[in-house]
Amino acid sequence: DARVTQTPRDKVTEMGQEVTMRCQPILGHNTVFWYRQTMMQGLELLAYFRNRAPLDDSGMPKDRFSAEMPDATLATLKIQPSEPRDSAVYFCASTRDSNNEQFFGPGTRLTVL
Amino acid sequence: QKEVEQDPGPLSVPEGAIVSLNCTYSNSAFQYFMWYRQYSRKGPELLMYTYSSGNKEDGRFTAQVDKSSKYISLFIRDSQPSDSATYLCAMSAPGSNYKLTFGKGTLLTVNP
Repeated sequence: DARVTQTPRDKVTEMGQEVTMRCQPILGHNTVFWYRQTMMQGLELLAYFRNRAPLDDSGMPKDRFSAEMPDATLATLKIQPSEPRDSAVYFCASTRDSNNEQFFGPGTRLTVL
Repeated sequence: QKEVEQDPGPLSVPEGAIVSLNCTYSNSAFQYFMWYRQYSRKGPELLMYTYSSGNKEDGRFTAQVDKSSKYISLFIRDSQPSDSATYLCAMSAPGSNYKLTFGKGTLLTVNP
């Protein structure tokens, strides 16, 4: 059945290292969202794309985070350099243009030591 | 003040209880209201979707929206241990490109 996939599921890295997270949206979905979830802040929107073009990345720390959609089947979120405060679960979600329902992936649990 | 406020709980109830989960919001432009359920170490999944004010029922779940009070609720009847999860409210406004604003979530445990 159709679902959003994310890799890796878990990532432990050291401060200063580059982290790349990948997301494959559901086929036919043209809007892709990146969220970060922490106990303190809950689910925060980092950036989102429609038809591969960035619509809004105002939730993302610009100096170290970058998000791209190289093609319709792949979205990436990169952190360089990573910091301990980036430790969180990062979710990707996708939706069709005419629908408010977002389908979430299983998340990438990032720990920065 | 955050746009969407939700009591994080935790909420613990016995099996069979009626559960009431709530969110308040400040943005009067919100028209679409959702409840997502998130099991431990999983992504959120849509549970209920309501447009504008009113009630919507789906099995044991009822969603209510009171736009005059900027208050939404999710009721779970005959709660089951399998309902144990975090429940997140989410809302969006027309013309927002389907951008959702989420509450922080309420952790619910239903004890057998």
